[in-house]
Amino acid sequence: SQKIEQNSEALNIQEGKTATLTCNYTNYSPAYLQWYRQDPGRGPVFLLLIRENEKEKRKERLKVTFDTTLKQSLFHITASQPADSATYLCALDWGKAAGNKLTFGGGTRVLVKP
Amino acid sequence: EADIYQTPRYLVIGTGKKITLECSQTMGHDKMYWYQQDPGMELHLIHYSYGVNSTEKGDLSSESTVSRIRTEHFPLTLESARPSHTSQYLCASSVRTGGLETQYFGPGTRLLVL
Repeated sequence: SQKIEQNSEALNIQEGKTATLTCNYTNYSPAYLQWYRQDPGRGPVFLLLIRENEKEKRKERLKVTFDTTLKQSLFHITASQPADSATYLCALDWGKAAGNKLTFGGGTRVLVKP
Repeated sequence: EADIYQTPRYLVIGTGKKITLECSQTMGHDKMYWYQQDPGMELHLIHYSYGVNSTEKGDLSSESTVSRIRTEHFPLTLESARPSHTSQYLCASSVRTGGLETQYFGPGTRLLVL
C-alpha cells in the first residue's frame, strides 16, 4: 500500500533561517502533490500544489519541489518567522481519475524561535 | 477563511449514545469529505460525497454513517459511541478550478467518548 513519510520529529529553527521539510512516498507517483498548514485545534489550510511534470513552485516565501524519480517533495520556508510555527502536511493527489482523493502524511511540526 | 462550519467543536459523551456531527458549507461545493485524525497522526479519509445522494466509504473503515440530502450539509452519525471513537473529526469540501482541486477544511470536532 502507498506510504507517505514526513519527519515526525519537530523542526526547531531560528527566525530568519530557511526551514526545509521532506515528504517521501512509495510506489506510484501522484498526479499532484499538495502542501497544507495545520495549526493546533484547527483544520488544515491549503498552501501550494505542484503537478507531477513541474519541478518547482513558489508562493511568496514558500517553495515546493517535486522529484518523481526520488519520489520526494521538499517544502521550503525562507526567511522564517515565528508566525510560521505550525504543522505542515503533504498530501498525494491522485488526480481526476481517482476522484482527486487525497492521501495525507503525518505532518512535520515546525517551531520558529525569535 | 473557508466558509465551512462544524458543530459541535467539542463533545464529551458516554458510551452507547447516538451522536451526529454537523458539517455545513456555503460555497456550493459538490464534493465533501470526512476525515478522522488522532493527535499528531495522519488524516484518514472515512467518508466522501460527490454530490447530493452520493456517499462512499473512505480508505479507513469506520462505524459511522453519513448522508447528503442537501449540497451544503454533510452530517456524520455514530449510532452507538464507544471509547475507540475518541478522535478529531474534520470535514472538508473541494472545488475544481482550472483543472486543479484543493480542499477546504472546517475547524474540526473533538470527540471524547467515556
